[in-house]
Amino acid sequence: EVQLVESGGGLVQPGRSLRLSCAASGFTIDDYAMHWVRQTPGKGLEWVSGISWNSDSIVYVDSVQGRFTISRDNAKNSVYLQMNSLRAEDTALYYCAKDRVAVPSRKGGGFDIWGQGTMVTVSS
Amino acid sequence: IVLTQSPGTLSLSPGERATLSCRASQSVRSSYLAWYQQRPGQAPRLLVYEASNRATGIPDRFSGSGSGTDFTLTISGLEPEDFAVYYCQLYGRTFGQGTNVEIK
Repeated sequence: EVQLVESGGGLVQPGRSLRLSCAASGFTIDDYAMHWVRQTPGKGLEWVSGISWNSDSIVYVDSVQGRFTISRDNAKNSVYLQMNSLRAEDTALYYCAKDRVAVPSRKGGGFDIWGQGTMVTVSS
Repeated sequence: IVLTQSPGTLSLSPGERATLSCRASQSVRSSYLAWYQQRPGQAPRLLVYEASNRATGIPDRFSGSGSGTDFTLTISGLEPEDFAVYYCQLYGRTFGQGTNVEIK
């Protein structure tokens, strides 16, 4: 079965760190860009970060630039999101998603496989 | 670039045609426009990429069109499972705020 499974979410205090993981199964991520997208309960989708197939191209939404770091390990078929200096506004359900293309924001892109998400709550 | 979806909520009956709009704040290339469906409690699902290409396994009642600043997702005859929230996305980054298609 083709799937992405996120883990690592939880309750964390403001200013602390958390590392999310996304494990792919049923396919290999080698040739594709991967992304993290978040959603505040009851609200819309916000793209957070994307990484190219070879990690050469990495992009972030402005609000997490300098605090979050995306990475991937193709050998482990996994993607990660290191989140530092967390804020209350980072509270959301975080989805991992596979792109149709190898590099973020390229022609023909679209996120065709999604995980079920892992919840991150930032609160004291 | 900001994506504005309209209407915010669309109230229709099963079998009716749904027309959802996504407007970009400046002209964009259609090759970078995608549409997603999100049912309650589920992850989003890719429906359309490059503005008009259906993703794998998507029924042909879903169709995308448009160019420049105006893009449309049309559902030709609503099935019960189509009542959901729909998002457009540009450049694999910016999402619109969503259109909720609800049962009238």
